[in-house]
Amino acid sequence: QQQVKQSPQSLIVQKGGISIINCAYENTAFDYFPWYQQFPGKGPALLIAIRPDVSEKKEGRFTISFNKSAKQFSLHIMDSQPGDSATYFCAANPSGSARQLTFGSGTQLTVLP
Amino acid sequence: DVKVTQSSRYLVKRTGEKVFLECVQDMDHENMFWYRQDPGLGLRLIYFSYDVKMKEKGDIPEGYSVSREKKERFSLILESASTNQTSMYLCANGPLDEQFFGPGTRLTVL
Repeated sequence: QQQVKQSPQSLIVQKGGISIINCAYENTAFDYFPWYQQFPGKGPALLIAIRPDVSEKKEGRFTISFNKSAKQFSLHIMDSQPGDSATYFCAANPSGSARQLTFGSGTQLTVLP
Repeated sequence: DVKVTQSSRYLVKRTGEKVFLECVQDMDHENMFWYRQDPGLGLRLIYFSYDVKMKEKGDIPEGYSVSREKKERFSLILESASTNQTSMYLCANGPLDEQFFGPGTRLTVL
């Protein structure tokens, strides 16, 4: 089955701390792994993405770590800020699809001031 | 600025009614998608389309149909709404490496 399992469901972090959200997949045909960020009342928007030919990708305070052998990938938010409070979704392309994504169940992140 | 427009932000319908949700994009993308978002279940793909008059089933197509008569417009149809279709519906478009989402329609079926 084309699934991406995401944890935790919710996360509370103090300002300045590190937020870590994890995802795991089973299908080795997945070859594209984006993270989307959704603020209340808005649709999700692409945050950062990685392909399995690299183990890490960093954009500002956001880093994706990718472990191909374990079939896991994670989002790290360094120096978390209250403005990072949002719902985060990991995703992957089922069966190596060139068009569609399958999403994780989401993590609601709250960064306390 | 790119735009993905959904016809309504909030909608309340009765069980058994036929419901139309419309999505319009101004980005000239081939791919368009309909998702539903439920707490704890994330985003689940209902249908997608990669060309005019073309459609593909997603993970949860039962109880839904779609129409794409023009490239910029993708409609989701609930033929006979049921209470378990109460949800947030999100339209998206774009290539694999970046999907652009609309603001969503909160549908309540009574």
